[in-house]
Amino acid sequence: GAGVSQSPRYKVTKRGQDVTLRCDPISSHATLYWYQQALGQGPEFLTYFNYEAQPDKSGLPSDRFSAERPEGSISTLTIQRTEQRDSAMYRCASSSTGSADTQYFGPGTRLTVL
Amino acid sequence: AQSVTQLGSHVSVSEGALVLLRCNYSSSVPPYLFWYVQYPNQGLQLLLKYTSAATLVKGINGFEAEFKKSETSFHLTKPSAHMSDAAEYFCAVSDRVNQAGTALIFGKGTTLSVSS
Repeated sequence: GAGVSQSPRYKVTKRGQDVTLRCDPISSHATLYWYQQALGQGPEFLTYFNYEAQPDKSGLPSDRFSAERPEGSISTLTIQRTEQRDSAMYRCASSSTGSADTQYFGPGTRLTVL
Repeated sequence: AQSVTQLGSHVSVSEGALVLLRCNYSSSVPPYLFWYVQYPNQGLQLLLKYTSAATLVKGINGFEAEFKKSETSFHLTKPSAHMSDAAEYFCAVSDRVNQAGTALIFGKGTTLSVSS
């Protein structure tokens, strides 16, 4: 696509529910990143994919968080048994190669857990 | 471990005045450095990046930043502020070691306000 898209843009859920966020990267980009941005903070790395492989999960805050990218294109981030502390903006980015290349960010999904 | 410090969570300038947003980093390896801008209800947009070439980097919308290794700084400047520059600005550093996928380490951001 023309840019990175994310859906939904806003999600309100109740504590204990599962949520799934979606990211559709730029079509030619091999690498896809997920970041979490709490209010008043900068984005913090969660995980990344190189095509369908997920070499680094080090930023996932707990085992309630998981991500997948089964066909090397669209990715989903799932949070199970949501907690209020999960409320944040979740940002997806994609890039064509690692390191120096620009990461192109989507508009983000604002998650609110009541 | 890498980190980024942005001095001043909020900066206010008058239209036409100099914009200076400060960023200091720490890194054990030569860093790549980035400035991103976020307008309301939009995603992060790259303003400019330093990747070990020229130390003075020019970006979009008249912004530039200078990499100063001795000061571990990468301050963002613009000679004359415009009302449309009002936004939140993030400085970020990346670790060149991981070539397959490089996480960005962001500062907390600086909100720029521009008054007429």
